[in-house]
Amino acid sequence: AQSVTQLGSHVSVSEGALVLLRCNYSSSVPPYLFWYVQYPNQGLQLLLKYTSAATLVKGINGFEAEFKKSETSFHLTKPSAHMSDAAEYFCAVSAGGSYIPTFGRGTSLIVHP
Amino acid sequence: NAGVMQNPRHLVRRRGQEARLRCSPMKGHSHVYWYRQLPEEGLKFMVYLQKENIIDESGMPKERFSAEFPKEGPSILRIQQVVRGDSAAYFCASSPVDKPPASYEQYFGPGTRLTVT
Repeated sequence: AQSVTQLGSHVSVSEGALVLLRCNYSSSVPPYLFWYVQYPNQGLQLLLKYTSAATLVKGINGFEAEFKKSETSFHLTKPSAHMSDAAEYFCAVSAGGSYIPTFGRGTSLIVHP
Repeated sequence: NAGVMQNPRHLVRRRGQEARLRCSPMKGHSHVYWYRQLPEEGLKFMVYLQKENIIDESGMPKERFSAEFPKEGPSILRIQQVVRGDSAAYFCASSPVDKPPASYEQYFGPGTRLTVT
C-alpha cells in the first residue's frame, strides 16, 4: 500500500523568500516520488522525480527536493520565490508493480510581492 | 511532439444528459489514466486503461460512468445521466510503455471542465 500526505493546504511566502512544501509518504517497498505543479486552469506538469539514483533531485524552475528515507519525506524547496511560482503543487508516490500513483491533496503556494 | 490532448476544454450539460470526454495520449504512449479533480479535494484516480483493455477501474463510480480506449482513436470517458455532483475538472494522463511502470511520470492533458446545470 502507498500513501502520501502533504502538510499544509496553503503556504504563503513573500517574493524572494525560501519556499518549503512538505510531503511525507508511506510505502512498503522502495518508492518513486514525484512533484507536479498545476497552474490555474491547466493540467499538472512534472517538476521533478526521484527514482533512487540520487537523494537530492533538481527540477525545473529552480526547484529541488530531497529524499530522506529515515523521515519518509520528500520536501520541495526553492531558495527564492518568484511571483510566477504561485500555483498548486502535488506530491505523488508510486511503488513496486503499481501502475497507479497516489497523489496528495495538494498545497497552494501563494507568493506576496 | 504534441502533448496529451483533451476535448472539449469546457462542457456544459443539463441534468440527465450524457457527457463524453475525449483524450488523445502523447505519441508512443499506450497507458491512459483518468482523474477527477474537485476544488480542495486534489486529484482522484478513476480508471486506468491500455489499448482495448481496462486495467483498473477501482476509482470509477459503479453506475453511469464508463471508459474505453479503442485500438484506433482517443480514449473516451462517458458519463450518462449527469447530475450536479458530476461537475468537476476531468484530467487525462498518459505514460509510456515500459517496465517498471511505477518509475514513469505521467503527462497530463489540460483537462475538461464539466458543468452540469
